[in-house]
Amino acid sequence: KAGVTQTPRYLIKTRGQQVTLSCSPISGHRSVSWYQQTPGQGLQFLFEYFSETQRNKGNFPGRFSGRQFSNSRSEMNVSTLELGDSALYLCASSPGLARDEQFFGPGTRLTVL
Amino acid sequence: QKEVEQNSGPLSVPEGAIASLNCTYSDRGSQSFFWYRQYSGKSPELIMSIYSNGDKEDGRFTAQLNKASQYVSLLIRDSQPSDSATYLCAVIRGSARQLTFGSGTQLTVLP
Repeated sequence: KAGVTQTPRYLIKTRGQQVTLSCSPISGHRSVSWYQQTPGQGLQFLFEYFSETQRNKGNFPGRFSGRQFSNSRSEMNVSTLELGDSALYLCASSPGLARDEQFFGPGTRLTVL
Repeated sequence: QKEVEQNSGPLSVPEGAIASLNCTYSDRGSQSFFWYRQYSGKSPELIMSIYSNGDKEDGRFTAQLNKASQYVSLLIRDSQPSDSATYLCAVIRGSARQLTFGSGTQLTVLP
């Protein structure tokens, strides 16, 4: 099976702009979760989508949003970018049950100038 | 108290030795436990999952879970330089589907 894919792999934006990141899960997986990784805060959960519905949300401001399409592909959007949003954004794919293993994509490295 | 705590390291072991990585968690409702390996500049890679008390072995890796003491560990036998990476402990609490991560332990295996 093909793994999780994320596009783009690298992004450079300036403060105030918005950005959209894309994730395609493993074939047959219906759950997509997004995480942010920074040197200071480590890996933090953003939100999880299952069957086009957000099931779970982490403690991030409303500037962070996402959606999932009928083919399970997911996008996350960050509006009004701040310098502190510079991070590695990771998407994780799983079948969708609570105890399921989650498999990460290669990530999108976002730099905000 | 952090929800998931790991020794930040760095931990150095000689090639061929056993590397022991430890993790404690605060929520007794935690049900699922995972170890991920992350090489510098790469994304986390799942290496072990464990759900029940006791040991689970997979090749050179053994995960150990003790729910009463709220700790989970990872043993790497016959450590190789290619095992040099940051090892992340992650927990799923209750019915939530989100992974809560520790800060990671950086392991260096010396040739």
